[in-house]
Amino acid sequence: SQTIHQWPATLVQPVGSPLSLECTVEGTSNPNLYWYRQAAGRGLQLLFYSVGIGQISSEVPQNLSASRPQDRQFILSSKKLLLSDSGFYLCAVIRLQAGEQYFGPGTRLTVT
Amino acid sequence: AQSVTQPDIHITVSEGASLELRCNYSYGATPYLFWYVQSPGQGLQLLLKYFSGDTLVQGIKGFEAEFKRSQSSFNLRKPSVHWSDAAEYFCAVEYGNKLVFGAGTILRVKS
Repeated sequence: SQTIHQWPATLVQPVGSPLSLECTVEGTSNPNLYWYRQAAGRGLQLLFYSVGIGQISSEVPQNLSASRPQDRQFILSSKKLLLSDSGFYLCAVIRLQAGEQYFGPGTRLTVT
Repeated sequence: AQSVTQPDIHITVSEGASLELRCNYSYGATPYLFWYVQSPGQGLQLLLKYFSGDTLVQGIKGFEAEFKRSQSSFNLRKPSVHWSDAAEYFCAVEYGNKLVFGAGTILRVKS
């Protein structure tokens, strides 16, 4: 079975500071990787997804970016955080057309 | 653009009453459809999924959902709600390479 690691678990950052959230996956190769943000009243908003190394698709134009430097590593970044970036960030592995989704434990980000 | 709509932000039902949570999607083809539940402070738990075949699917915890192609809907139902069902429920749709979630419906159960 696969395991998804995310760190840090919680983070408090001031407005304008940079951000780097990391997600690593064990137990599978060439996974489809996804970043979601969960905010109250908005469900899970798909931010980015990647079907391979260096391949990033952005769903929401904003000040966040993502990178996939290795097969099982997915990074979410920002150069300058906004208050609106606060939320719960989830990394996921999704096996398309199989109905299998695996979510990491999440990172709670508070921008102050 | 593809979208998933859960029109009810909050729903309150009495314990023992029946429940229906609505979900509508916009997509040309028949997508893969899912319902998840999230209890406070917990992760997402898959309740059920629909790929093809019988349009009425059974899930865990006594939940079921019915796919209606003509209405582009995938509503979740339970005949008798328990207090432990109080949680937030998410409908999700798989389009191509993406899994898109609705905004969620918060279920409150009153005794």
